[in-house]
Amino acid sequence: GQNIDQPTEMTATEGAIVQINCTYQTSGFNGLFWYQQHAGEAPTFLSYNVLDGLEEKGRFSSFLSRSKGYSYLLLKELQMKDSASYLCAVKDSGAGSYQLTFGKGTKLSVIP
Amino acid sequence: NAGVTQTPKFRILKIGQSMTLQCTQDMNHNYMYWYRQDPGMGLKLIYYSVGAGITDKGEVPNGYNVSRSTTEDFPLRLELAAPSQTSVYFCASSYLQGDEQFFGPGTRLTVL
Repeated sequence: GQNIDQPTEMTATEGAIVQINCTYQTSGFNGLFWYQQHAGEAPTFLSYNVLDGLEEKGRFSSFLSRSKGYSYLLLKELQMKDSASYLCAVKDSGAGSYQLTFGKGTKLSVIP
Repeated sequence: NAGVTQTPKFRILKIGQSMTLQCTQDMNHNYMYWYRQDPGMGLKLIYYSVGAGITDKGEVPNGYNVSRSTTEDFPLRLELAAPSQTSVYFCASSYLQGDEQFFGPGTRLTVL
């Protein structure tokens, strides 16, 4: 089985930087996704990490450490539209390798 | 491309009624998935399909059935609706196994 932990809620100020952490325990790690989900909408893909290190994509970056079972999503130059839930999801290389296991999500509120 | 479409957007059912949630994708994806999302909880996989004619159970399949007669369509059937099935249902698809998943807009279902 898998266990994924991420903070329930975070608040940050417009223009600032925020880091959303995700820790996981899995029997056969094969990649980690971050999705963004605005209230009442569908999740949309943000990033994918399978190797250790930092992946940068504009204002968003995602980091992975497989040995520590840890990832974070870094959002820079926060904008009001970044207020959303951020979902961490782990891909397992075992029997359920078609499947993603999602964390409960971190609700980020960006305030002026 | 419309991507992943779902109907209906909202539905209220009485206990014991049945209904089918429709999902269609026009991206020629082989892999399709049904998730449910409850407040404060992560997305839970109900069923998935790796191609036309092939389906398998996810984490929470009880009370649901699926079929996949074409690449495009992946309907989810609730036979005897129960209050515990009140949730938001998302359909998703991906091109390759374990790839980025594209989500539909969701169906908000209430069972009273």
